[in-house]
Amino acid sequence: GQSLEQPSEVTAVEGAIVQINCTYQTSGFYGLSWYQQHDGGAPTFLSYNGLDGLEETGRFSSFLSRSDSYGYLLLQELQMKDSASYFCAVLSTGGFKTIFGAGTRLFVKA
Amino acid sequence: EPEVTQTPSHQVTQMGQEVILRCVPISNHLYFYWYRQILGQKVEFLVSFYNNEISEKSEIFDDQFSVERPDGSNFTLKIRSTKLEDSAMYFCAIRFPGGRLKGTQYFGPGTRLLVL
Repeated sequence: GQSLEQPSEVTAVEGAIVQINCTYQTSGFYGLSWYQQHDGGAPTFLSYNGLDGLEETGRFSSFLSRSDSYGYLLLQELQMKDSASYFCAVLSTGGFKTIFGAGTRLFVKA
Repeated sequence: EPEVTQTPSHQVTQMGQEVILRCVPISNHLYFYWYRQILGQKVEFLVSFYNNEISEKSEIFDDQFSVERPDGSNFTLKIRSTKLEDSAMYFCAIRFPGGRLKGTQYFGPGTRLLVL
């Protein structure tokens, strides 16, 4: 079967750094993506790792270790607007199938 | 970021009726995806589509569902004989072919479907 595990909730203060972990168990792994979703909104692409290592995009970074079936999203200089749900998503089958995790709800406090 | 629109934004239907959800991307040469998200739950993959063919589909995507690109621009999801449990937000997403772009999908705003 295919499964992804990520924490259900994380709370952090404004200006801090937070890491959201994702472990996965899938067949035909192709890559790991991260999406942000605000309440009532659509998922918005944040980052993608097709190879091991760190990808940096502004305040967001994502890491992948394929040997450990593990990745994380790192959010720096947290802002109140970062309060949202964050989903990791595994691409399989050559990128044609995407399996989402259950999401991590991030609460940013002042 | 490419623009993806979906119509209608909201749809209310009676159980057993057919609904057609539409997705309109602004570019061609795209891969298309349909997802659904039941309120408060995770995003669930339904189907991917490229070059007028289904590339991959999930267990959810049974005979009740079909997809097509009828006029070369719109991308539609048809749900036949809707059930109460089909009530969800349905998202269309697109991506461009090749390399690292395989991991980048752009989502439309969604269609909220309510089956009564």
